Amino acid sequence: SAVISQKPSRDICQRGTSLTIQCQVDSQVTMMFWYRQQPGQSLTLIATANQGSEATYESGFVIDKFPISRPNLTFSTLTVSNMSPEDSSIYLCSVVGTSGGETQYFGPGTRLTVL
Amino acid sequence: QKEVEQNSGPLSVPEGAIASLNCTYSDRVSQSFFWYRQYSGKSPELIMSIYSNGDKEDGRFTAQLNKASQYVSLLIRDSQPSDSATYLCAAILTGGGNKLTFGTGTQLKVEL
Repeated sequence: SAVISQKPSRDICQRGTSLTIQCQVDSQVTMMFWYRQQPGQSLTLIATANQGSEATYESGFVIDKFPISRPNLTFSTLTVSNMSPEDSSIYLCSVVGTSGGETQYFGPGTRLTVL
Repeated sequence: QKEVEQNSGPLSVPEGAIASLNCTYSDRVSQSFFWYRQYSGKSPELIMSIYSNGDKEDGRFTAQLNKASQYVSLLIRDSQPSDSATYLCAAILTGGGNKLTFGTGTQLKVEL
């Protein structure tokens, strides 16, 4: 499976600021996703990162709050904008490889704390 | 009804026993199911996928899928303390796009 890295691994941010999270894969992948895992909760899909076009957002998530880029088949960013303490979560990227399967593999996650 | 439902636990089993983790699903998911293990503070790690009715074995792990009853389970034989983690059941949503939906996870504790 692909090796996935995320930067930063963790951060503590002030209310009202923005943070950009990077997801890098060591090989080209067909699909990339961004998830949020709030404390003590399961994973919730934020959006599908589409290569060369606008991301597809799930209900409850909007581009102004969570802008996403995917300039190529190995890299994506998620920005958490105008943060509030409710945005404190682990943010995870996942990928589906180019082998034609459906299996998703997760990056190590970014632990965000908003004060 | 949520797309995928799990008992949150905790499920406690003694070392060496069989741990049985269960998951039910709705008609809003396709027939592709996944079990992930998540240690505290870590990201989910894929254990197994299952697509067909019946059992699929991989080492100490067996996934079972029963489409008629709409449940999928994970059996862990010879449970070890290192198996203590949260186990997440996930399924691909119908409608395309390879979107995964997750259950709330079952916390497993394997006791010495």
